[in-house]
Amino acid sequence: SYVLTQPPSISVAPGQTARITCGGDNIGSKSVHWYQRRPGQAPVLVVYDDNQRPSGIPERIFGYNSGTTATLAISRVEAGDEADYYCQVWDKSSDHPVVFGGGAKLTVL
Amino acid sequence: QAHLQEWGEGVLKPSETLSLTCEIYGGSFSGYYWTWLRQPPGKSLEWIVDINDSGISKSNPSLRSRVTISVGPSQNQLFLTLRDVTATDAGLYYCARGRIYHDAWYFDVWGRGIVVSVSS
Repeated sequence: SYVLTQPPSISVAPGQTARITCGGDNIGSKSVHWYQRRPGQAPVLVVYDDNQRPSGIPERIFGYNSGTTATLAISRVEAGDEADYYCQVWDKSSDHPVVFGGGAKLTVL
Repeated sequence: QAHLQEWGEGVLKPSETLSLTCEIYGGSFSGYYWTWLRQPPGKSLEWIVDINDSGISKSNPSLRSRVTISVGPSQNQLFLTLRDVTATDAGLYYCARGRIYHDAWYFDVWGRGIVVSVSS
């Protein structure tokens, strides 16, 4: 089945921009979605369809996708952004169509 | 806005059957794919099974022989049954609401999850 690869962890100072990557074979041809999960809380959809934000998600969180890498960027990082972030795609033709990346832990220094 | 809450017996012995319920509060049942997912310790999220408003379900091939999903008569409860559990079935179990948008399938509402442990 399709495989998505994320870095296990990323650290960023407050006020800087965090970029969390999600690699996959020709992922640029797929629609990528991103979830934020703070400890003890339900996962939250923060970006869908590569670069669309659900209502209530701030503009400083955005996504883009091209070639073999999709990226979730968080500008002006703040302490509240510290969480696990997961990418996900729909591999429509597969018998196992819902695929998640391994998750990346964002630490705010 | 919909809100989901999982509950059930979270402590099992090997070979027992896991039964979980997801309460669906608010929103419509129609037009979505109601889904169970899980996250074993140290691993990523894994899709288990889903069901749509027509009652059509699809499941992860690795779990297909042991898993059942169903919906309550008022369409405000989602049920998961996983038979013959082993230690590899331990983890955090979520219910989520799935949407298909153009050529994308994503989950726009999640429950907080329930911890399931399996030990003799």
